[in-house]
Amino acid sequence: QLQLQESGPGLVKPSETLSLTCAVSGGSGGSISSSRYFWGWIRQPPGKGPEWIGSIYFSGNTYYSPSLKSRVTISVDTSKNQFSLKLTSVTTADTAVYYCARSYTLLGHFDYWGQGALVTVSS
Amino acid sequence: QSALTQPPSASGSPGQSVTISCTGTSSDVGGYNYVSWYQQPPGKAPKVMIYEVTKRPAGVPNRFSGSKSGNAASLTVSGLQADDEADYYCSSYAGSNNVVFGGGTKLTVL
Repeated sequence: QLQLQESGPGLVKPSETLSLTCAVSGGSGGSISSSRYFWGWIRQPPGKGPEWIGSIYFSGNTYYSPSLKSRVTISVDTSKNQFSLKLTSVTTADTAVYYCARSYTLLGHFDYWGQGALVTVSS
Repeated sequence: QSALTQPPSASGSPGQSVTISCTGTSSDVGGYNYVSWYQQPPGKAPKVMIYEVTKRPAGVPNRFSGSKSGNAASLTVSGLQADDEADYYCSSYAGSNNVVFGGGTKLTVL
């Protein structure tokens, strides 16, 4: 069974960089190196709807939300079967539960999700 | 403010049907057949219930169905059960490698 697990600091100070990693495990469907899947980050502020942050393909091609593009970097480490998120110059508006997830296409749905990691931006 | 508009709440009694709407524009919902619906119980990650407007992943009961007309999509839950109570979110491809979500609908089973 495919599993995704987010990890990283739960508290980040304003103006600093938020960094999270998603470890992927469980069967062939969990290979970051597979050409069948995209790997994405989605966040959900408390009490609000989800927001797509961006996605990455095994080749390293990245796709970012227009509203976050200037502050986001997503990278992949195939040797560790994981991918990462960096969000710079954070403010309190970036406080959210951050999820990593898998999709078959960039256009489509996310079929496997991590459990989510709450990141609070506060001094 | 979310890109897609959903009613904040919906409700129905056990056994009844309820429909949740998701309104977008011709640049997202109306322009592509890549609308998805997610179910999210409190404190848990979203789970996809419908994708590509009408398709159900394996394991999702056929009580859940999706449709689209113009710039609006809908999720219908038939034969409501207590464990259908959750937040539901729609999502759509929005062109230019962008994905947008709705603000969510809290479904209450009375």
